[in-house]
Amino acid sequence: QQQVKQSPQSLIVQKGGIPIINCAYENTAFDYFPWYQQFPGKGPALLIAIRPDVSEKKEGRFTISFNKSAKQFSLHIMDSQPGDSATYFCAANQGSARQLTFGSGTQLTVLP
Amino acid sequence: DGGITQSPKYLFRKEGQNVTLSCEQNLNHDAMYWYRQDPGQGLRLIYYSQIVNDFQKGDIAEGYSVSREKKESFPLTVTSAQKNPTAFYLCASRLGRGRNYGYTFGSGTRLTVV
Repeated sequence: QQQVKQSPQSLIVQKGGIPIINCAYENTAFDYFPWYQQFPGKGPALLIAIRPDVSEKKEGRFTISFNKSAKQFSLHIMDSQPGDSATYFCAANQGSARQLTFGSGTQLTVLP
Repeated sequence: DGGITQSPKYLFRKEGQNVTLSCEQNLNHDAMYWYRQDPGQGLRLIYYSQIVNDFQKGDIAEGYSVSREKKESFPLTVTSAQKNPTAFYLCASRLGRGRNYGYTFGSGTRLTVV
């Protein structure tokens, strides 16, 4: 019940395309859903996060869509650029006393 | 600037040696975490600590040990009992109170067994 399933494992798009990364969860007590971006040899950095009381959140070219009834959330990257090439992790949290549960990651490549 | 500092960036260990990875934060965060990342893999939790002088095992604690004597510091020791220690190790912290659940990660330590 603590798992977060992420897909696809890898994704290749052309510059300007809109890659979409999906995550699904089972634990309905999760109340915070962040996305992290990781470049090779670096630590992950918080990209954007959403709580289950909203269905969409945008920050710049990054959008999270959240479907509470389906227990799914996704990351969309608008007008993707080669500099967006990185590994993206979704995660979920249940309260401040517990640790984040991470998805398995998606390696995104944006071709010039 | 506040943040998390991991050192060293690269570490080489001989067979049978114990090595200690440093993690220091000046964010005044209560909780700290250690994760292991293997090539092309996700993040696996080794140990975490919610408060000083207290810590809990994560999913893959065997062969590792930690201490939390100060709020700012959470060193990880990779012991000789860890059979496959070559990996990228990430330390993270978060406030641990209120509704700000986001982690701040360090830049990682790459450990290689030689």
